[in-house]
Amino acid sequence: EIVLTQSTGILSLSPGERATLSCRASQSVSSDLAWYQQKPGQAPRLLIYGASSRATGVPDRFSGSGSGTDFTLTISKLEPEDFAVYYCQQYDTSLTFGQGTKLEIK
Amino acid sequence: QVQLQESGPGLVRSSQTLSLTCTVSGGSMNSGTNYWGWIRQPAGQGLEWIGHIYTSGSSKYNASLKSRVSISIDTSQNRLSLRLTSMTAADTAVYYCVRLVGGWFGELWGPKYMDVWGRGTTVTVSS
Repeated sequence: EIVLTQSTGILSLSPGERATLSCRASQSVSSDLAWYQQKPGQAPRLLIYGASSRATGVPDRFSGSGSGTDFTLTISKLEPEDFAVYYCQQYDTSLTFGQGTKLEIK
Repeated sequence: QVQLQESGPGLVRSSQTLSLTCTVSGGSMNSGTNYWGWIRQPAGQGLEWIGHIYTSGSSKYNASLKSRVSISIDTSQNRLSLRLTSMTAADTAVYYCVRLVGGWFGELWGPKYMDVWGRGTTVTVSS
């Protein structure tokens, strides 16, 4: 099973700052990686697929990068509504999720 | 716009079987390119893929649940079902119905990412 590690459990930042979230795979997943945002009491929402393609309706302050084993989700300028939990998910071999990074207001 | 709605018992007794249904509206399950599946999330924890199924009926399950889980699809009714046997407290979670985008992996067609999610239904296992 491919294990995804999101090394930062909690990231504390202020609105207007830049957020960089990481996801590392235990073996190469090529570009078969997606990112999701989950707010309290809500279902996850797809943000990024194919490592760097934004899903429909996702603001362009969200961007994804990386390939192979190391991936990054960047939020260029944090808005109040961006504070949430973010999960990465690989679909190269079966389907697995990272454990999540909580982005909280500093 | 496709919407997914989960339904089923909120409380299940330990050792019993959970049966959930997901009703799809706003589109047909028979698109021919998508997969349909289930994800669960224990309170305060992360996401766990349970399994998925293609419209052909071909399914795949998480190895950790494979002996207890079954997913079925009824495209004529636009419904997806989950059956999980021998429930324990560890199965207490929010269960989400999802649509997975299908795509090519070399010469093979397979599920990729989840682009539509239901709101989720909370299932509690009681002793």
